Amino acid sequence: GAVVSQHPSWVICKSGTSVKIECRSLDFQATTMFWYRQFPKQSLMLMATSNEGSKATYEQGVEKDKFLINHASLTLSTLTVTSAHPEDSSFYICSASGNEQFFGPGTRLTVL
Amino acid sequence: DAKTTQPTSMDCAEGRAANLPCNHSTISGNEYVYWYRQIHSQGPQYIIHGLKNNETNEMASLIITEDRKSSTLILPHATLRDTAVYYCIVRVQETSGSRLTFGEGTQLTVNP
Repeated sequence: GAVVSQHPSWVICKSGTSVKIECRSLDFQATTMFWYRQFPKQSLMLMATSNEGSKATYEQGVEKDKFLINHASLTLSTLTVTSAHPEDSSFYICSASGNEQFFGPGTRLTVL
Repeated sequence: DAKTTQPTSMDCAEGRAANLPCNHSTISGNEYVYWYRQIHSQGPQYIIHGLKNNETNEMASLIITEDRKSSTLILPHATLRDTAVYYCIVRVQETSGSRLTFGEGTQLTVNP
């Protein structure tokens, strides 16, 4: 299947700092990318839908000013968690939509 | 998208077939049945999807009942590496990429 990468695979940061997570589709162009969040022992929750060249669409309850999404090219979308707090600690997963939807390996964020 | 119901957990012996059921009684005529799985601390992996005919690929087989209200994912010879959470998702397939709504899934444990 198609390959989607995420960077970094894990990150630890101090409360109040910002963290950027990159999502790349390596062998196909993705008009649409999705960002999910997963807390321990829970299912994936969609945070936002990112379309290349336009503003992201956020799910209800997700703060767009806190979770900044940029989809500047057909192979790259970034999620920036601004002013991170311990409650933002989670597993963040992106997916890219080609013929099907393919997921990245996830980024484990720990905010101290 | 139609709601799906899956058992919370299942066990299977290594080498035997694993049959994972999914109920989707409110499925619409234009909705597909998708299966993904998530191995611990990794991103979800696409397995298979179908509309109304049974489907088979190198990973699994998908059996959809004639009324389309339920389906079964079959792993013909389960291995320890198949231990994962399996998600059954129903959605309309759109050309621009459509969102996936994850339920709680079934935790499949393959035992030696």
